[in-house]
This record gives sequence, structure tokens and C-alpha cells, in this order.
Amino acid sequence: EPEVTQTPSHQVTQMGQEVILRCVPISNHLYFYWYRQILGQKVEFLVSFYNNEISEKSEIFDDQFSVERPDGSNFTLKIRSTKLEDSAMYFCASSEQSINQPQHFGDGTRLSIL
Amino acid sequence: RKEVEQDPGPFNVPEGATVAFNCTYSNSASQSFFWYRQDCRKEPKLLMSVYSSGNEDGRFTAQLNRASQYISLLIRDSKLSDSATYLCVVNLFLTGNQFYFGTGTSLTVIP
Repeated sequence: EPEVTQTPSHQVTQMGQEVILRCVPISNHLYFYWYRQILGQKVEFLVSFYNNEISEKSEIFDDQFSVERPDGSNFTLKIRSTKLEDSAMYFCASSEQSINQPQHFGDGTRLSIL
Repeated sequence: RKEVEQDPGPFNVPEGATVAFNCTYSNSASQSFFWYRQDCRKEPKLLMSVYSSGNEDGRFTAQLNRASQYISLLIRDSKLSDSATYLCVVNLFLTGNQFYFGTGTSLTVIP
């Protein structure tokens, strides 16, 4: 069964540094997403991406964050000037279409900011 | 205001029991609904979509009441492997496909 893959599985970074989290969505999917889950809290939407542009973003997704699809397979989340409170699990997801379609999640990148 | 609310539990039930989870959502414009399960420190995995007419997948039955903005999940004949956190997920389709997650309901099935 095709799956969303994410790398790295765990990223440890000093506060103030930039990190790039990588995702390979399912190949025939058109919509891509990033979510985060702070330990013990609910999963929170960050951003959705379609046709090489952001289609929706949450209040969390401020100027510190950016997304990119640098080639035909990868989808990345960049976090600049990381803060302690950015420590969380970051999940990438993809779906075939947008309306009424379930999203399929990767197994996440655990980001630890020191 | 919480978009999606769930009873966090925990629910501790014996093997073979039937257990039901409830979820309410705040935005009447919500378009689609799902139940996901999440094991500890793992990714959410789709359990089932929830359709207006109600739907069943093996031991799992989902119901949607749009008038009351209420979703339910029924698990029959609980197995040890059903132990997980069950996430109610609502899609409010605006320009994209933003999923709103509930905080999840914790289930432990006891031998």
C-alpha cells in the first residue's frame, strides 16, 4: 500500500537555527498538508498546498514557516529561527483530491529544539 | 471556541465489550467527517469516513447527525488491539482542505 514518507524521523536543533523537514507524498495525490502535534495535545493544522501554492494556512503558520515542492516528489516544511515552543511532532499528509477525501499521514518527524 | 470536542476518557473496557465514543463539532458548514486512530507517539491512521446515512466496517459503526452536529463511533466485540486514542476529525472546506482534530478519546481494552 502506498504511503507518505517523512525524513528525518527525529531532528534535534539548537534554538535559533533553521530546520527543513521533508516529506514524499503518495505519488498520485494532488493535495499536501503539514500538521503538528505538541506532546500531549491535539493535532493542529498548519498549511495545505495545491498546484504549487499554499491554499490555506492556520494562524500558527506565520512568517517563520514556509513550504516548498522543490521537485516532483518532495514536499518540505522550513522553520526559520526555531524556538523552544516549536518542539513537536510534525506530520505530513496527502490526499487525492480535496473535498471529502481522507488524508493519509506520514509517520512524522519529532523535532526537538534545545 | 473548540471546533471539535470529544470526551477524552479514558475508557477502560474488558475484551468483548461494546464501547461508544461521541464527538460534537461547532461549524455547521463542515463538509466531511472521519474517525482516525492514533497509537502512542505514532501518526493518525484513518479508521473510517463517516457518511450521512451512517456506515459500518466490520466491528465499527459510525453515525453522523448533522442537525445536532454530532458524530459517533461504536466498537463492538472490543479486541486488545483496539487500544488506542480515537480522533474525531472534521473537514471544513474553505479554500483548501483543513482538518480539525478533536483531542481524542483514549481507549484501553483489558484482557
